[in-house]
Amino acid sequence: GENVEQHPSTLSVQEGDSAVIKCTYSDSASNYFPWYKQELGKGPQLIIDIRSNVGEKKDQRIAVTLNKTAKHFSLHITETQPEDSAVYFCAASRASNDYKLSFGAGTTVTVRA
Amino acid sequence: KAGVTQTPRYLIKTRGQQVTLSCSPISGHRSVSWYQQTPGQGLQFLFEYFSETQRNKGNFPGRFSGRQFSNSRSEMNVSTLELGDSALYLCASSPPLAGGTDTQYFGPGTRLTVL
Repeated sequence: GENVEQHPSTLSVQEGDSAVIKCTYSDSASNYFPWYKQELGKGPQLIIDIRSNVGEKKDQRIAVTLNKTAKHFSLHITETQPEDSAVYFCAASRASNDYKLSFGAGTTVTVRA
Repeated sequence: KAGVTQTPRYLIKTRGQQVTLSCSPISGHRSVSWYQQTPGQGLQFLFEYFSETQRNKGNFPGRFSGRQFSNSRSEMNVSTLELGDSALYLCASSPPLAGGTDTQYFGPGTRLTVL
């Protein structure tokens, strides 16, 4: 089955700096890669996703890049704000064939004011 | 549009009991998936239902079961509870597959504590 590894497990950044989280996956058939943000006491919230026919996607301060050859994808948050503090999860699946998301272990991001 | 709702939000049970959790998907969504979240194992896929049929199942014992109703609402059941079943149980719904989307939207979860 799919194995998703996520690094780092914790990340502390100064407000206004950038944060980068990296994930690798093992199943070359995976072609859908969402990122979720989970705040305390809440369920995961989808913040951005990317499919294998695209190398990069951006939504305001958030961007995701995908390298299919190397089987890794990354989340970039620019101009971090205190409200960006949360746990972030990457995930992978075989879109359209398999609704099973395989998740990374999560990254706890703390934005220092 | 209302999000995914899960009931109850919190539940305390004792070992050996059984429990039923409920999930109402976003209106118009027909696929419902269930995940277990624990500090040690992270987020793990339990099963996925579409049009009242289980399409995919994760690696959990048979004590974990689910079903989906004609209105797309879903329930999951855990029988003979064990201490290790203490977890946050998350439900996610997905819109119809037109265009190949399989985006999953999560509910707030049900926090199950087994004593």
